[in-house]
Amino acid sequence: AQSVSQHNHHVILSEAASLELGCNYSYGGTVNLFWYVQYPGQHLQLLLKYFSGDPLVKGIKGFEAEFIKSKFSFNLRKPSVQWSDTAEYFCAVATGTASKLTFGTGTRLQVTL
Amino acid sequence: DAGVTQSPTHLIKTRGQQVTLRCSPKSGHDTVSWYQQALGQGPQFIFQYYEEEERQRGNFPDRFSGHQFPNYSSELNVNALLLGDSALYLCASSGLAGYNEQFFGPGTRLTVL
Repeated sequence: AQSVSQHNHHVILSEAASLELGCNYSYGGTVNLFWYVQYPGQHLQLLLKYFSGDPLVKGIKGFEAEFIKSKFSFNLRKPSVQWSDTAEYFCAVATGTASKLTFGTGTRLQVTL
Repeated sequence: DAGVTQSPTHLIKTRGQQVTLRCSPKSGHDTVSWYQQALGQGPQFIFQYYEEEERQRGNFPDRFSGHQFPNYSSELNVNALLLGDSALYLCASSGLAGYNEQFFGPGTRLTVL
C-alpha cells in the first residue's frame, strides 16, 4: 500500500522568507500527486496537482511543486511567504483507479510578521 | 455553483449510539469519497461510492457503512460509536467516474462522549 511522509510537522517563518515543504511517497507505479491547504476554520482546498507532463507544476497563490520521480518526492515551494499563508498543508497521492487519496500527516506553517 | 455541502456541521453522540452524516457533491460530480480526519492527523480514506455502489474501501471496520443515492448524494453511517470515532468527517466529490481531482466539503465534527 502507498504511504506519504511529510517530515516537517511545524514550520515557523517570517514574512518574505522562502518556503520548502518536503513530501515523499512510497509506491512503485504511476502516481498522481497533490498538495492541499487547510486555512484556519476553512475546508481543504487544492493548491496544485501533478498528473503527467512537466514535473514542475504551478498552483494558486504563487505556490509550485516539483515531482522528482527518482527521489519519490513532490516538494512544495514558495519564494516569498505572506502572513496569509499561515495554514496546514497536506501532501497526497493517488494511485491506480478510482482516485482514492492517501494523505501525509500535514505540516503546520506559521508565518510571523 | 454550490460546492460540496455536508450536514450537520457538528454532532455530539454517546458511546454505543449510531450516527448518519450526509453529503451533497459538487454539481456535475458523480463520485463521492469519505475521509476521517483525527485531530492533528491527515485525512484517512474510509470508502468511495460510484453508481450507488461502494467501489473502494479503506481500513475501517464494518461499523462504517455508506450509501449513494441516484442524485449522487451520499450518507455515511457509523454504528456502535466508540470514543475513538471522534473526528472530523470529510466528504469529497469528483467527476469523470472519480478519475479527477477531489473537492472537499467543510466536514462534520463528530464528538463521542
